[in-house]
Amino acid sequence: NAGVTQTPKFQVLKTGQSMTLQCAQDMNHEYMSWYRQDPGMGLRLIHYSVGAGITDQGEVPNGYNVSRSTTEDFPLRLLSAAPSQTSVYFCASSYPGQAQYFGPGTRLTVT
Amino acid sequence: GQSLEQPSEVTAVEGAIVQINCTYQTSGFYGLSWYQQHDGGAPTFLSYNGLDGLEETGRFSSFLSRSDSYGYLLLQELQMKDSASYFCGPRGAGRRALTFGSGTRLQVQP
Repeated sequence: NAGVTQTPKFQVLKTGQSMTLQCAQDMNHEYMSWYRQDPGMGLRLIHYSVGAGITDQGEVPNGYNVSRSTTEDFPLRLLSAAPSQTSVYFCASSYPGQAQYFGPGTRLTVT
Repeated sequence: GQSLEQPSEVTAVEGAIVQINCTYQTSGFYGLSWYQQHDGGAPTFLSYNGLDGLEETGRFSSFLSRSDSYGYLLLQELQMKDSASYFCGPRGAGRRALTFGSGTRLQVQP
C-alpha cells in the first residue's frame, strides 16, 4: 500500500492564482481531512469528509473548497491564493474513530 | 465544540522521564489519541486511550481520566530522537471533525 499520497510536495503561487492540492489514499478509509500547519504552530482542520459525496467545514474553511467524488481522492482547491495561505498542508485518512494516517505534506508559498 | 490544551514546550535530558499533559473539553468524546511529529515531517500515530487508565507501548505510555477530562503522554528513557512535537486529539466516532491540541514541543538535551 502507498498509504496517503499528496502532490505536489512544493508549490509557489502568486497572489490571486488558484490551484488544487491532490490527496489520495489506497486504504479504503471513509474519513479524510485536510489540515494546515503554520510555522511553529499546531494543526488546524480546514475541511473533512466522512465518505464519498459528503464534506463538511472544519475550523478554518474560508478560501478553500473540497469535493469527494470517490473514496480514494480528496482534493483541496485554493480559489484565489493569498499570502495568509502560505503554510504546510497535510491530508489525512482513517476509518471512523480510528488513528489517522497523514500524507507527507505540501509546502505552499504564496507571494 | 472541541478544545484541547497542552503546554507549548517541555525540555528534558537524555535518559529521563517526561510527561506531556492534555486537558480537553469536547462533546461526544470517545477517547484520546497522541501523535508525534518531527521537524519537517508528517504527524504519526503514537497511542490511544479509549478507557480510563494507562496504556503502555514500549517506552511510551498514555493515560486518560475521563472524569477529569485529562490525559497525558509519558515518555521514558528519553533519547535524542524523541525531540519532536507531540499532539493530543480526541478520537471521535463516525461523523465528527477531528481537531488537535496546539502541540507540545519536546527538546531532549544530552
